[in-house]
Amino acid sequence: QKEVEQNSGPLSVPEGAIASLNCTYSDRGSQSFFWYRQYSGKSPELIMSIYSNGDKEDGRFTAQLNKASQYVSLLIRDSQPSDSATYLCAVNRGTGANSKLTFGKGITLSVRP
Amino acid sequence: DGGITQSPKYLFRKEGQNVTLSCEQNLNHDAMYWYRQDPGQGLRLIYYSQIVNDFQKGDIAEGYSVSREKKESFPLTVTSAQKNPTAFYLCASSPRALAFSYNEQFFGPGTRLTVL
Repeated sequence: QKEVEQNSGPLSVPEGAIASLNCTYSDRGSQSFFWYRQYSGKSPELIMSIYSNGDKEDGRFTAQLNKASQYVSLLIRDSQPSDSATYLCAVNRGTGANSKLTFGKGITLSVRP
Repeated sequence: DGGITQSPKYLFRKEGQNVTLSCEQNLNHDAMYWYRQDPGQGLRLIYYSQIVNDFQKGDIAEGYSVSREKKESFPLTVTSAQKNPTAFYLCASSPRALAFSYNEQFFGPGTRLTVL
């Protein structure tokens, strides 16, 4: 099983719709979870972090974490063409000096005008 | 302006040459990281450093070397031993010290290395 797995894409949604991006992870000891947005040719940008079970909302973005089921998701409400990008899920494994992120391969989102 | 800078933006290397990629941050972050990104493979960790004068190998350290002589600088050398160095190289930093595990990381703009 891959350490961090994102559902296969690409994902295409119409403008104004809700985009749902999912991610599963294998290490039950993982403690923190992140979503990055990466536009083509650019570096990743941190858009959401979540550390405890439940939902975390920031503007049009909602991150959801379920540690028992080992998944984390990102919902984008009222999707805009500017949301078209690749979204990377990252999971923090280990603690202290061994703390490091493992990234999924990403899913490409396309928002149709 | 606070941030992470990487230079150069584009780098071309001939086979057999060593090249050094620069990464500087003025965010006073403790930890710094180097990743490599290849199409369809996500980000893979090369080296990371939690404190000055200390660094650890990541998942794909072979053919690479680093140093951390100053808190704000973490240069990466791609040696001739790296068999397939063409990739997008990303430097990141994190404010968290050793005791914390949240580890949110912020990325520089990247260096695109091409071997001719």
